Amino acid sequence: KAGVTQTPRYLIKTRGQQVTLSCSPISGHRSVSWYQQTPGQGLQFLFEYFSETQRNKGNFPGRFSGRQFSNSRSEMNVSTLELGDSALYLCASSVSGSGNTIYFGEGSWLTVV
Amino acid sequence: AQSVTQLGSHVSVSEGALVLLRCNYSSSVPPYLFWYVQYPNQGLQLLLKYTSAATLVKGINGFEAEFKKSETSFHLTKPSAHMSDAAEYFCAVSGRDDKIIFGKGTRLHILP
Repeated sequence: KAGVTQTPRYLIKTRGQQVTLSCSPISGHRSVSWYQQTPGQGLQFLFEYFSETQRNKGNFPGRFSGRQFSNSRSEMNVSTLELGDSALYLCASSVSGSGNTIYFGEGSWLTVV
Repeated sequence: AQSVTQLGSHVSVSEGALVLLRCNYSSSVPPYLFWYVQYPNQGLQLLLKYTSAATLVKGINGFEAEFKKSETSFHLTKPSAHMSDAAEYFCAVSGRDDKIIFGKGTRLHILP
């Protein structure tokens, strides 16, 4: 069974640009979550989608958005990039339901210059 | 609401020595508890999970964790550290909703 796949793995963007990251969950998983990981702030929850609906949201500005498609694949978008957005963005999927294990992809490394 | 506290952002142990990584949680409902490991330049990988079936949970790579309700703890241990255990370890808690809250992580250093 294929794991969680994230693309692209590495990217460099300029301040003010926008970026879209993609995540394909494990087959059969309907919940997709996104996390931002930085050395200073650690692992921070961005949002979670289930059946194309945002179900949970972290404390990030509106520049961070996401969506989920009918095949459970998800994208997240960051607009008007700032230097502080440089981070590892991790996607995780689960079957959903209380206590279910979430499985992570290898992440997308975003560098904003 | 749930929360997780990992004591020690960095822990160093000698190869062959006991590994002990501490995690305390707060939860208003019986929790699900997890330990994840992250190797350099990789995503997080599940080490083990507590689901109330047994208080001592065995995971991969020789790790285990014990759930102690009275102490609200879920510490991770391994009897004998190996160089390949050097990584960052995250404790996480989940309640009745689907939110999983992660601790800030503990970086484990193995000394030769």
